[in-house]
Amino acid sequence: EPEVTQTPSHQVTQMGQEVILRCVPISNHLYFYWYRQILGQKVEFLVSFYNNEISEKSEIFDDQFSVERPDGSNFTLKIRSTKLEDSAMYFCASSGRMQETQYFGPGTRLLVL
Amino acid sequence: DQQVKQNSPSLSVQEGRISILNCDYTNSMFDYFLWYKKYPAEGPTFLISISSIKDKNEDGRFTVFLNKSAKHLSLHIVPSQPGDSAVYFCAASLINTGTASKLTFGTGTRLQVTL
Repeated sequence: EPEVTQTPSHQVTQMGQEVILRCVPISNHLYFYWYRQILGQKVEFLVSFYNNEISEKSEIFDDQFSVERPDGSNFTLKIRSTKLEDSAMYFCASSGRMQETQYFGPGTRLLVL
Repeated sequence: DQQVKQNSPSLSVQEGRISILNCDYTNSMFDYFLWYKKYPAEGPTFLISISSIKDKNEDGRFTVFLNKSAKHLSLHIVPSQPGDSAVYFCAASLINTGTASKLTFGTGTRLQVTL
C-alpha cells in the first residue's frame, strides 16, 4: 500500500540554524501539506501546496518557513533560522485528485536547543 | 481557533463494548469530516470519513454519524478491541476545487480499551 515517507525521523539542532525536513508523498497525489504538533497540543496546519505553488498558509508559516517540490517526488519544508518554539513533530500529508482524504507520514521530531 | 472541538480528553471502555467519541464544530461551511487514529510518535492514520451530504458512513467496526443541524459528529467503534487504544482526532475541511484544502483538527480523545 502506498504511503507517505518522511526523513529524518528525528532532528536536533541549535537555535538559529537552518533545517530541511523532507517528505515523499504518495506518487500520484496532487495536493501536499505540512502540519505540526507541539507536545500535548493538537495538530496544526502550516501550509498547503498545489500546482507548484502555495495554496494557503497559516499564521505560523512566517518568512522563516518555505516549501519546495524540487524534483516532482520530494516535498520539503525549510526553516531558515530555528527558534526554541519550533520544537514539535512535523507531519507531511498528501491527497489525491479528489483531495478529500489526506494521508500522513510518520513525522519528523524536531528539537531546537 | 476552536472551530473543531473534542470535549472529552479521555475515554475508557471495556473490551467488546461500544466506544463513542464525539466532536463538535462551529464552521457550518465545513463539508467533509474525517477521523484519524494516532499512536505516540507516529503520524495520524486515516480511519473513516463522511461528506456533509450524508448522515452516516460505516466501515467494518467503525461508523461515523453526522448531525449537521447540531454541528456534531461521532465515531462509534463496536466491538472495541485493546488494539483500538490510541488518540482519536476529528478533523474537518472545506473542499475547494483547484486548490489544496487544509484540515482543521480537534484536540483529540485518548481511548483506552480495557480487558
